[in-house]
Amino acid sequence: NAGVTQTPKFQVLKTGQSMTLQCAQDMNHNSMYWYRQDPGMGLRLIYYSASEGTTDKGEVPNGYNVSRLNKREFSLRLESAAPSQTSVYFCASSREEIYEQYFGPGTRLTVT
Amino acid sequence: GDSVTQMEGPVTLSEEAFLTINCTYTATGYPSLFWYVQYPGEGLQLLLKATKADDKGSNKGFEATYRKETTSFHLEKGSVQVSDSAVYFCALIPPGAGNKLTFGGGTRVLVKP
Repeated sequence: NAGVTQTPKFQVLKTGQSMTLQCAQDMNHNSMYWYRQDPGMGLRLIYYSASEGTTDKGEVPNGYNVSRLNKREFSLRLESAAPSQTSVYFCASSREEIYEQYFGPGTRLTVT
Repeated sequence: GDSVTQMEGPVTLSEEAFLTINCTYTATGYPSLFWYVQYPGEGLQLLLKATKADDKGSNKGFEATYRKETTSFHLEKGSVQVSDSAVYFCALIPPGAGNKLTFGGGTRVLVKP
């Protein structure tokens, strides 16, 4: 039982490049989330998926797209990376009716 | 909109000292309140929660009481250990917001032997 896994752990991109961050959970959770963590700002919700086949924007969705591939997997795509997207990205999941969210270990992304 | 304000860190303590981290919130209605902890190099873990006024959440020696009158949810521990060194996040879910957390900025705590 691995919980929430994220790949890659570290990534360096040049401005304008694209990439996809992968997230998978093995807890049979309905809901999944993508956050970014910036110093002094806590975590901010980028996108979330309440159930397979649905996605919704969070607080800071601009510059990102997501795909809920199946119940286990929720990917985050940066189509044209910008230095302002340098951050640590966390994926999380939860059962629909329980508030606790389980977080992955994070992806540290640097855009130069 | 909804927001959470935490005291800025870092907070540096000696082992066995008393820890308080202040958290206040702004929200419509009665939100659910949480403390999450992030140990170095890891993701966040739920530490404790309270879902209605006057509830006390507790876990691992940490406590926090939901105070509606002061819109606060301060975290306390009576005797910290080096292993409590981490970043602590206060968070809320407003009524009707599903399961979407709003986080405070986080408070780094460093416990020295």
